[in-house]
Amino acid sequence: KAGVTQTPRYLIKTRGQQVTLSCSPISGHRSVSWYQQTPGQGLQFLFEYFSETQRNKGNFPGRFSGRQFSNSRSEMNVSTLELGDSALYLCASRRFLAVGETQYFGPGTRLLVL
Amino acid sequence: DQQVKQNSPSLSVQEGRISILNCDYTNSMFDYFLWYKKYPAEGPTFLISISSIKDKNEDGRFTVFLNKSAKHLSLHIVPSQPGDSAVYFCAARYQGGSEKLVFGKGTKLTVNP
Repeated sequence: KAGVTQTPRYLIKTRGQQVTLSCSPISGHRSVSWYQQTPGQGLQFLFEYFSETQRNKGNFPGRFSGRQFSNSRSEMNVSTLELGDSALYLCASRRFLAVGETQYFGPGTRLLVL
Repeated sequence: DQQVKQNSPSLSVQEGRISILNCDYTNSMFDYFLWYKKYPAEGPTFLISISSIKDKNEDGRFTVFLNKSAKHLSLHIVPSQPGDSAVYFCAARYQGGSEKLVFGKGTKLTVNP
């Protein structure tokens, strides 16, 4: 069974631009979550989607948004990029919203904002 | 306010010995705890988990202990192997099954041959 895939793997943007990252969950998984990893803050939750609905949102500004499609694939968008948005963006999926359901992570998209 | 804390940024042990990674949490609403291992340039890989109704869970060389009264959990790796060298993240989940995992900042484990 294929794992969580994320595209692109690496991205370089300049301040003020916008970026869209894509995540394909494991087949059969309906829940997708996004996390930002930076050296200073560690792994921080961005948002969670289940069946195309945003279920939960972390403490990030409105420049960070996401969506989920009917096939469970998800995208996240960051508008008006800032230098501090440089990070590893991780996507994770699991089958259901239930305690005990393991979350599987993709390899991440490394975003560099210049 | 950091709700999940891994106070040791790094740990170095000899091959064959025990590795003990510690994690403290502050929020009593957490009901499920997980450990992830992360190699450079890869996403975190699930290692082992424990429900708040248990105090121990074992899987091969990995054992997680939970002390709810102290709000403390630990991951024991016995015996440690060089391939275990990675960053280990402790994570906690809120009651209700939400996907929101709260992570510690990680402990870098180095197992020396």
